[in-house]
Amino acid sequence: KQEVTQIPAALSVPEGENLVLNCSFTDSAIYNLQWFRQDPGKGLTSLLLIQSSQREQTSGRLNASLDKSSGRSTLYIAASQPGDSATYLCAVRGGGSNYKLTFGKGTLLTVNP
Amino acid sequence: NAGVTQTPKFRILKIGQSMTLQCTQDMNHNYMYWYRQDPGMGLKLIYYSVGAGITDKGEVPNGYNVSRSTTEDFPLRLELAAPSQTSVYFCASSYGVADTQYFGPGTRLTVL
Repeated sequence: KQEVTQIPAALSVPEGENLVLNCSFTDSAIYNLQWFRQDPGKGLTSLLLIQSSQREQTSGRLNASLDKSSGRSTLYIAASQPGDSATYLCAVRGGGSNYKLTFGKGTLLTVNP
Repeated sequence: NAGVTQTPKFRILKIGQSMTLQCTQDMNHNYMYWYRQDPGMGLKLIYYSVGAGITDKGEVPNGYNVSRSTTEDFPLRLELAAPSQTSVYFCASSYGVADTQYFGPGTRLTVL
């Protein structure tokens, strides 16, 4: 059974700092991995999708990497801003006909002005 | 493009009552999903659909039913509400199985 762990559970940083969020998964036979952002009381917004054959994806100040063999992904946020404050969720899709996304519990990020 | 819309936003039910959570997407996506999110827990898949007329169970389907008569709509039915179904429910859709999932704003349900 796939399990996804996100560390740390919460992170508080001053504005302008570069930071890394971590995601690990137990079964390396994944199809892809997706990073989401969730604001309080809102739905999930997709940030980056990395296919199993890719090593990283970039969007603006965000960079996500994937090391499938070691079961790890990181989300790097450059020059953090107060508007980046949210919960960040990592989710992996199993291989084959497994349609299920397995989610981690998320990292609550607070960026202080 | 409205994306994925869900109604209602909030609902309080009494034990044993029934209700339907509505979900509509206007992106012509084939795949649609229902998740529930409990405090401090990751999202759990309830049901999914790979196209109109085709649905299947996810991780936590007990107490729920779905139907998919059109590409756009994927309602979730709770027949006999129980306190354990108190949760936030999210609907999502994607074009293909390996594509980005787009989420609706959620329905916060409380069963008392």
